[in-house]
Amino acid sequence: EVQLVESGGVVVQPGGSLRLSCAASGFTFDDYAMHWVRQAPGKGLEWVSLISWDGGSTYYADSVKGRFTISRDNSKNSLYLQMNSLRAEDTALYYCAKDIGVVGSLLTFDYWGQGTLVTVSS
Amino acid sequence: QSALTQPASVSGSPGQSITISCTGTSSDVGGYNYVSWYQQHPGKAPKLMIYDVSNRPSGVSNRFSGSKSGNTASLTISGLQAEDEADYYCSSYTSSSTGVVFGGGTKLTVL
Repeated sequence: EVQLVESGGVVVQPGGSLRLSCAASGFTFDDYAMHWVRQAPGKGLEWVSLISWDGGSTYYADSVKGRFTISRDNSKNSLYLQMNSLRAEDTALYYCAKDIGVVGSLLTFDYWGQGTLVTVSS
Repeated sequence: QSALTQPASVSGSPGQSITISCTGTSSDVGGYNYVSWYQQHPGKAPKLMIYDVSNRPSGVSNRFSGSKSGNTASLTISGLQAEDEADYYCSSYTSSSTGVVFGGGTKLTVL
């Protein structure tokens, strides 16, 4: 059974930093690209970032480019999101999501975690 | 403002069919077949219902179908059931920013 478990969400002040983690199990982690997707309270979904199966390629939404860094440790079946220079508008539930494509990304999320809440507030 | 446009709400009675539209541009929906649809119940994570415009993942009911014409993709749910009441989001690859864009979401109410 595929499982994705996010952690690291807390209340942080504007301008602060935070690292989210996602522990994956139930599939061959290093065969798949992975994503972060966020959802502000009461709002819709927003794609945040993508990392290739080997970590060699990364992509970001314009809203987080230059502030967030996605990474992965295939030896630990783990995905990360380093978030710097946080703003109030980054407040959201952050989901870790598995790509449906083997090796190559098909930009489709077939499994999602339950999310971890990040609140940016003074 | 979301990159893809969906109606805010749709409704239907049990047993009826409904269609949710998702309108983009030639840089996303119209230019690529990477259109997906997700169902989200309150307080739950999204669930993939359709990918690559019209493909259903294993385990998703065949009452759900997807299509595309020009810059508009559509999700059709036939034989509406109470458990279909949820928010639905479309997504697409976009060449504008080399990433993924979502629609604003559509709340489906089963009357």
